[in-house]
Amino acid sequence: QSALTQPASVSGSPGQSITISCTGSSSDVGGYDYVSWCQQYPGKAPTLMIYDVSKRPSGISNRFSGSKSGNTASLTISGLQAEDEADYYCTSYTSSSTYVFGTGTKVTVL
Amino acid sequence: EVQLVESGGGLVQPGGSLRLSCAVSGFTVSHYYMTWVRQAPGKGLEWVSIIYTGDSSYHADSVKGRFTISRDSSQNTLYLQMNILRAEDTAVYYCARRSTYGMAFDIWGQGTVVTVSS
Repeated sequence: QSALTQPASVSGSPGQSITISCTGSSSDVGGYDYVSWCQQYPGKAPTLMIYDVSKRPSGISNRFSGSKSGNTASLTISGLQAEDEADYYCTSYTSSSTYVFGTGTKVTVL
Repeated sequence: EVQLVESGGGLVQPGGSLRLSCAVSGFTVSHYYMTWVRQAPGKGLEWVSIIYTGDSSYHADSVKGRFTISRDSSQNTLYLQMNILRAEDTAVYYCARRSTYGMAFDIWGQGTVVTVSS
């Protein structure tokens, strides 16, 4: 149950697009289309942003999009805004009927 | 309103026990898969336990044999019984609901703090 690998930090200027990667294995990310992404502000509970690789829950901006290729999933934030500055975590269902989180990525808006 | 409210956290000595509760409102706890996730101070999210319908459950290797997830339909509450606590179990513990529209956690509680220290 090793954590999925994410870059520690990603930054971008307002209006730019950034992409966060999430690398696992064939037992989790690569084996199922069940990758989700959540956003977390300091001291707050996480909020679901993307589920099942590329679907957005109701109320989530279409500036957030997800994709997957092989054992790596990605979250793209387009039209970066100051309010997007937060921590982002990927999650995947696994072959053991469990879940595993990514190591987390801090997004900084320059 | 759909809401999850955790309670039961606190300071406990190494080797001790604690039971966390997650009071559910706005939906029936037995109709959903429910999970516990924790976050150590300054660290990332770590999946802990999940309970499926039929009450089958799974736990992370780091807590297997020490933690037990359960729920009480009459109280509409999710629980996490934590035994043989270690310093590394110190964290904010969140309960969350697995959505019905996808394999993700769509509703989260605000968290309860557990500190394991002598």
